[in-house]
Amino acid sequence: KQEVTQIPAALSVPEGENLVLNCSFTDSAIYNLQWFRQDPGKGLTSLLLIQSSQREQTSGRLNASLDKSSGRSTLYIAASQPGDSATYLCAVHFSGTYKYIFGTGTRLKVLA
Amino acid sequence: GAVVSQHPSWVICKSGTSVKIECRSLDFQATTMFWYRQFPKQSLMLMATSNEGSKATYEQGVEKDKFLINHASLTLSTLTVTSAHPEDSSFYICSAANRAFTEAFFGQGTRLTVV
Repeated sequence: KQEVTQIPAALSVPEGENLVLNCSFTDSAIYNLQWFRQDPGKGLTSLLLIQSSQREQTSGRLNASLDKSSGRSTLYIAASQPGDSATYLCAVHFSGTYKYIFGTGTRLKVLA
Repeated sequence: GAVVSQHPSWVICKSGTSVKIECRSLDFQATTMFWYRQFPKQSLMLMATSNEGSKATYEQGVEKDKFLINHASLTLSTLTVTSAHPEDSSFYICSAANRAFTEAFFGQGTRLTVV
């Protein structure tokens, strides 16, 4: 069964810290992986998309890496800010399917 | 990125009534659209996948007669929750992809409350 798991489920850090969110998936055959941010009661904001052939993507303070062989992706947030507080979701498009499977999410709280 | 518009953003309805949610791709042709449901503090669960002009494919455990999906054009898909009950209260999000499916774009979601 194709599954996506994220750890930790929740994370609380002081402002300014660098942090890493983890996403693991059960099948290394993927088309791409996407990281999203979701604020409470809101929809999804796409942060980074990594295609199967790529190892990482960067946008501002965010860096996402992909290691297909180990079934893992990490989202690195540099110099965290209170405005980064949200739930972060990773979603995987597995090969042979025509849909995204979402991870369980990491609820991040950055303390001022 | 491409824009997917979902309407309404929130709706409150009485138990037993039906509610329709629209999902539009504004600047590309969405060959495939996806409908997700998200309960509080949980992740998104795929309900069904629809291809333009075809019947939707429902995930296991999702009642197709209760959640009617129509994808009549390349820019519009609708989800109708029929005979809604309080347990159907949830956050519904649509997603659209083009034929190449190199990326999926998400609507802003609809919060449904059934009273």
